[in-house]
Amino acid sequence: NAGVIQTPRHKVTGKGQEATLWCEPISGHSAVFWYRQTIVQGLEFLTYFRNQAPIDDSGMPKERFSAQMPNQSHSTLKIQSTQPQDSAVYLCASSPRTGGGNTLYFGEGSRLIVV
Amino acid sequence: GDSVTQTEGQVALSEEDFLTIHCNYSASGYPALFWYVQYPGEGPQFLFRASRDKEKGSSRGFEATYNKEATSFHLQKASVQESDSAVYYCALTLIASSSFSKLVFGQGTSLSVVP
Repeated sequence: NAGVIQTPRHKVTGKGQEATLWCEPISGHSAVFWYRQTIVQGLEFLTYFRNQAPIDDSGMPKERFSAQMPNQSHSTLKIQSTQPQDSAVYLCASSPRTGGGNTLYFGEGSRLIVV
Repeated sequence: GDSVTQTEGQVALSEEDFLTIHCNYSASGYPALFWYVQYPGEGPQFLFRASRDKEKGSSRGFEATYNKEATSFHLQKASVQESDSAVYYCALTLIASSSFSKLVFGQGTSLSVVP
């Protein structure tokens, strides 16, 4: 079975530009999560979807960041007017339907560098 | 809020040494506990989990026992190999019977094993 697929693996963007990151979850998984990873902050939760519906976006910066899941086979994370502090590895994970205490399966991540 | 604390930021061992990485947690409800491992350039990989007090999780020679009284889930391996060099993350998610919840990660422990 294919794992979580993230594209692009690497993206360099100029300050003020828009960046869109894509995630294809594992087929049959009901939930999709987005995390951001930096050396200083570690793994930070951003948002998640259950059956394509947004459930918790408490980790999303209120401005410039948005996430969507238009169908069960992909999700996008969009960053508008990128800033150098947005440079990070953005990780997508999916989770199967389990009874309590779900396990997340991560993709390899998209490394975003804002110059 | 819910949190995970890993005592060691870095651990350096020789092959065949015994490994312990300490993990303690604070949770507002009953958590499931996890260990993930991350190799350079990859996303975190699920190692194993435990969902109830005194349950032992294990995989690839690594193990940890859920200790509710001590709020701990320490990772151990009897004899490490150079290939075990990676970053290890302890994590928790609150158990709810029918819903998903986000994983909260510790800061990670970088393990370096020399031949």
